[in-house]
Amino acid sequence: NAGVTQTPKFQVLKTGQSMTLQCAQDMNHNSMYWYRQDPGMGLRLIYYSASEGTTDKGEVPNGYNVSRLNKREFSLRLESAAPSQTSVYFCASSLAGVSGNTIYFGEGSWLTVV
Amino acid sequence: KNQVEQSPQSLIILEGKNCTLQCNYTVSPFSNLRWYKQDTGRGPVSLTIMTFSENTKSNGRYTATLDADTKQSSLHITASQLSDSASYICVVTLTGGGNKLTFGTGTQLKVEL
Repeated sequence: NAGVTQTPKFQVLKTGQSMTLQCAQDMNHNSMYWYRQDPGMGLRLIYYSASEGTTDKGEVPNGYNVSRLNKREFSLRLESAAPSQTSVYFCASSLAGVSGNTIYFGEGSWLTVV
Repeated sequence: KNQVEQSPQSLIILEGKNCTLQCNYTVSPFSNLRWYKQDTGRGPVSLTIMTFSENTKSNGRYTATLDADTKQSSLHITASQLSDSASYICVVTLTGGGNKLTFGTGTQLKVEL
């Protein structure tokens, strides 16, 4: 039972490069999320997808785009990476929204932009 | 501003001892409060989730309490083990907030021999 799987685990980018973080869940969940975690701060929501075919901005969406490819997969794209996007990124999923539902997190993707 | 504040920031205890972590929040109105455990280099793992009407919830050696009147929660760890060394994160869900969770910055717990 893999749960939420993210790739890559580690990535170093140069400023201006683009990349996509991949996420897949095998729990048949409807809702998926992308968070970033920075030192001294709580996790912050970048984008979420309440259900297949929908995506919405979270607290810190600037510089990112997302695609809900199908029910299982939710990718996060950095079009032109900036040093401020150096962070740990977590994909998460829940059965339906956050209210009352357990949210399951992936293992994280460590991204460094130089 | 909706906030979640945790204390202490870090804590060191001896194996076998109990400890209590605190969470104060200003998120309002809220629908539930969660505690997560995050091992170093790993993703957060859910420990408990409580609605505003619940006072306590247990998960093995972890017991969370909630006082919605004072907007305080605590996580009590009994008979600590080395594997309890981790960051413990308090998370509050905003009612009708469009999937809005407010995360605390966590309490870093280290359990030593």
